[in-house]
Amino acid sequence: KAGVTQTPRYLIKTRGQQVTLSCSPISGHRSVSWYQQTPGQGLQFLFEYFSETQRNKGNFPGRFSGRQFSNSRSEMNVSTLELGDSALYLCASGQQGYEQYFGPGTRLTVT
Amino acid sequence: GESVGLHLPTLSVQEGDNSIINCAYSNSASDYFIWYKQESGKGPQFIIDIRSNMDKRQGQRVTVLLNKTVKHLSLQIAATQPGDSAVYFCAEKSAGGYQKVTFGIGTKLQVIP
Repeated sequence: KAGVTQTPRYLIKTRGQQVTLSCSPISGHRSVSWYQQTPGQGLQFLFEYFSETQRNKGNFPGRFSGRQFSNSRSEMNVSTLELGDSALYLCASGQQGYEQYFGPGTRLTVT
Repeated sequence: GESVGLHLPTLSVQEGDNSIINCAYSNSASDYFIWYKQESGKGPQFIIDIRSNMDKRQGQRVTVLLNKTVKHLSLQIAATQPGDSAVYFCAEKSAGGYQKVTFGIGTKLQVIP
């Protein structure tokens, strides 16, 4: 089975812009979670989608949003980018109640 | 401005020795625990998991121990190899099917050849 794929792998954006990141889960996995990883805060949970519904949300501002499509692919969007949004954004897919498998991440740099 | 990073605990181990990485968790409702390994430039990789109704689980070269009384988790790596060098995270999940996972800050394992 192919692993979790994330696109793009690297991205440079300017403050105030918006960005959309994409995640394709492992075939058959219906749960997709997003995490932000920074040197200052470590790995932090953003949100989880299951069958196109957001089931769980972390403590992030409303500028961070996501969605999941009927084929389980997911996108996350960050609007009005701030310098502090520079991070590695990780997507993980899984089956309900079991372990998650992470993608390689998208490295976002905001200048 | 200057950013302040998390100070990752570092464990240095001689190649061939056993490694023990410790983790404390805080949520008594957590019923599922996972250890992940993250190599530079990659996403976390699942190593081993354990449910709260167990106190020990073994995998290939790895053992996870869970002490619910003191909310402590440990990962033991036998015969540590240079390829084991990475940051190791423990993570916890509360009961239910939802995948909200809380990660610890991680421990950097350095294997000395």
